[in-house]
Amino acid sequence: DVKVTQSSRYLVKRTGEKVFLECVQDMDHENMFWYRQDPGLGLRLIYFSYDVKMKEKGDIPEGYSVSREKKERFSLILESASTNQTSMYLCASSSFLGGGGFRANVLTFGAGSRLTVL
Amino acid sequence: AQKITQTQPGMFVQEKEAVTLDCTYDTSDPSYGLFWYKQPSSGEMIFLIYQGSYDQQNATEGRYSLNFQKARKSANLVISASQLGDSAMYFCAMREGLDTNAGKSTFGDGTTLTVKP
Repeated sequence: DVKVTQSSRYLVKRTGEKVFLECVQDMDHENMFWYRQDPGLGLRLIYFSYDVKMKEKGDIPEGYSVSREKKERFSLILESASTNQTSMYLCASSSFLGGGGFRANVLTFGAGSRLTVL
Repeated sequence: AQKITQTQPGMFVQEKEAVTLDCTYDTSDPSYGLFWYKQPSSGEMIFLIYQGSYDQQNATEGRYSLNFQKARKSANLVISASQLGDSAMYFCAMREGLDTNAGKSTFGDGTTLTVKP
């Protein structure tokens, strides 16, 4: 069964700590994404990557960075965690079928990482 | 302006009845895709159905169908014969620029559906 695996389901960190959220996919997908989900705000894109070592800012990149050294792994980094970064973080991946073919860019999601910053 | 608007924060439906979840979108790109995802209480997002901007017919996947009205920029999800397991949050999403790889999907705020027995 194809999967996107997020390393931690629940994390509790203190303000100012450096936080790493890891995401691994086994589908050989080119694209990987980090979203955060907050009640009433839906999913907001933080960063995405369409190739190894490539990254693009999403809608809310401030306070975050990412790393993609290998195709299957996409890491989200909070350099200095703050309380307003308490949230559910969702990693997703997708393939590119080209030409907008059927189900192009369907996202496969991980189970999510719920981060609490105290 | 929001690119994806879901105007119903919460919906109730009786078991075995049909329900429509609304979604309107905003884009000037002629090539886009519309998606619906389901998020049960367990948290994992599940893909339900897809509609491409050039598709002539409305998409269907089992009990799910997408009522695509391009001129109105709406892509409502219809669930027929609701089941208790359909209780979840539902998200509408749009991917613009399907002819390029470096694209992103934008999500609405979601609709929480509760199916009553």
